[in-house]
Amino acid sequence: KAGVTQTPRYLIKTRGQQVTLSCSPISGHRSVSWYQQTPGQGLQFLFEYFSETQRNKGNFPGRFSGRQFSNSRSEMNVSTLELGDSALYLCASSESTADYEQYFGPGTRLTVT
Amino acid sequence: KNEVEQSPQNLTAQEGEFITINCSYSVGISALHWLQQHPGGGIVSLFMLSSGKKKHGRLIATINIQEKHSSLHITASHPRDSAVYICAVLSGGGADGLTFGKGTHLIIQP
Repeated sequence: KAGVTQTPRYLIKTRGQQVTLSCSPISGHRSVSWYQQTPGQGLQFLFEYFSETQRNKGNFPGRFSGRQFSNSRSEMNVSTLELGDSALYLCASSESTADYEQYFGPGTRLTVT
Repeated sequence: KNEVEQSPQNLTAQEGEFITINCSYSVGISALHWLQQHPGGGIVSLFMLSSGKKKHGRLIATINIQEKHSSLHITASHPRDSAVYICAVLSGGGADGLTFGKGTHLIIQP
């Protein structure tokens, strides 16, 4: 089976712009979770989607949003980018809810200038 | 909110040594994950456990639910084991998603 894929792998944006990141889970996996990794805060949970519904959400402002499509592919969107949004954004898929073993994608490295 | 503490933060050892990385958490959990992250960012899930002990090759993970503590052991360490090892816990029915430790940066010298 193909692994989790994320596009794009690298992205440079300017403050105030918005960005959309994409995640394709392993075939058959219905749960997708998103995480932000920064040198200062480490890894932090953004949100989890299961069967097109947001199941859980981390402590991030409303500028961070996401969705999941019927084929389980997921997108996350960040509006009005700030310098502090520069980070590695990782998604992970699992067979069911996040209680199951998670398989991580390679991440999208976002730089905001 | 669960607090996850890992120790040590940094560890340098010689090839062949037995390695132990510790993880403690503050609130009861439903599952604990051990993750490995190599330079460049890729993360691999090593173990998911909720009780007892699991072994995969040279890696062993244990968890003590009463003590709220888990350990990751690496036997016969090798330079390719050099990576950041991250402990993550799932609690509160998963409402807060995974809560991560800061990671242990392991370097195995030949």
